[in-house]
Amino acid sequence: AQSVTQLGSHVSVSEGALVLLRCNYSSSVPPYLFWYVQYPNQGLQLLLKYTSAATLVKGINGFEAEFKKSETSFHLTKPSAHMSDAAEYFCAVSDHTNAGKSTFGDGTTLTVKP
Amino acid sequence: DAGITQSPRHKVTETGTPVTLRCHQTENHRYMYWYRQDPGHGLRLIHYSYGVKDTDKGEVSDGYSVSRSKTEDFLLTLESATSSQTSVYFCAISESSIYGYTFGSGTRLTVV
Repeated sequence: AQSVTQLGSHVSVSEGALVLLRCNYSSSVPPYLFWYVQYPNQGLQLLLKYTSAATLVKGINGFEAEFKKSETSFHLTKPSAHMSDAAEYFCAVSDHTNAGKSTFGDGTTLTVKP
Repeated sequence: DAGITQSPRHKVTETGTPVTLRCHQTENHRYMYWYRQDPGHGLRLIHYSYGVKDTDKGEVSDGYSVSRSKTEDFLLTLESATSSQTSVYFCAISESSIYGYTFGSGTRLTVV
């Protein structure tokens, strides 16, 4: 069984401030972990992924995430928020032994204030 | 997104009618998935396919059926639509679990 918990359904930051979106996971096997971004009225787009190589992974648009096994976490960060980062973000865990089905968190809406 | 299209993009239907949503891919990926997105629930898996004619249920499969007769097409059917099936439906494709998903643009379905 696998699950994802995203802490905070809404996060608001000022432009230029640090972005931190939290994700904790549960998985019975070594997980593959993903962050996706969804802009209004669009599908989800893959931001970055962890697949058991480097624990610090870099993605598109300046985002990165660190896999911490001891904390079962995979938090998403960006040093300096931009207005265009306003979107909904989803963390997902995949059980790669089972057709790659992904379980998604409930999402975090990021608001960026000017 | 390039390589995956969903149709229709919007649909309004009446309670009790059957509805079919289509997902078409040009990437020749093995895995295809149908999710529904509802506020506060993230995305929940309805059905998935791991090859032509090979499908299985997800966590919210009641009231839905799927078919995959060709690699490129994955159909989702609501056998008798209910108001609780009003949602945004997303199709996703994957070459392998290690790569993550590519999503379609979604179908917004309203059941009245």
